[in-house]
Amino acid sequence: QSVLTQPPSASGTPGQRVTISCSGSSSNIGSNTVNWYQQLPGTAPKLLIYSNNQRPSGVPDRFSGSKSGTSASLAISGLQSEDEADYYCAAWDDSLNGLNYVFGTGTKVTVL
Amino acid sequence: QVQLQESGPGLVKPSQTLSLTCTVSGGSISSGGYYWSWIRQHPGKGLEWIGYIYYSGSTYYNPSLKSRVTISVDTSKNQFSLKLSSVTAADTAVYYCARGVEQQLVYFDYWGQGTLVTVSS
Repeated sequence: QSVLTQPPSASGTPGQRVTISCSGSSSNIGSNTVNWYQQLPGTAPKLLIYSNNQRPSGVPDRFSGSKSGTSASLAISGLQSEDEADYYCAAWDDSLNGLNYVFGTGTKVTVL
Repeated sequence: QVQLQESGPGLVKPSQTLSLTCTVSGGSISSGGYYWSWIRQHPGKGLEWIGYIYYSGSTYYNPSLKSRVTISVDTSKNQFSLKLSSVTAADTAVYYCARGVEQQLVYFDYWGQGTLVTVSS
């Protein structure tokens, strides 16, 4: 069971803005940076956002990330059909058991 | 452009050891600065980090899998490997190898295509 909680689904029409939330705790998001990954159907995850709000080279600027307290968000502005995918947040979690890289429960984005 | 490719048996019997290898091209494992990792995804489910190895050989594992996991590196072949012992059906998953890069903290910027491993008799 993941320690980072995301809504199971989100949707929008082309051109709309979609926001995905990621809720954690003080041991993960509250004290560490957040990354976001996009997984297109049948493919490996791809890094979308790192260090809360940084985009790797080649990622369109309509993808943006933010963090506040123990929560983070991914926004997709100007939604396109090729954005239909699963999105996962991730962060390092420093618990009593040790350090662990944890992923969110995932959000399936549908373009209507 | 760095590329990673997983290889290994697609079927493993319960109680046996799962063994996978990741071959890295487009960059040298021994150049340093990266954390070579394994991540898995159970069918239809989310992602689970297994562990990573630095080119020097130092490792760090997911605490929940630590007792069964060994990750090793062969810099001469530009490969790193995963061994997961005493497998059960719960270890059936797509296994990905990935490159971890550190900026503030480690994140994973290049991934292999993944390989499905089924645990069944």
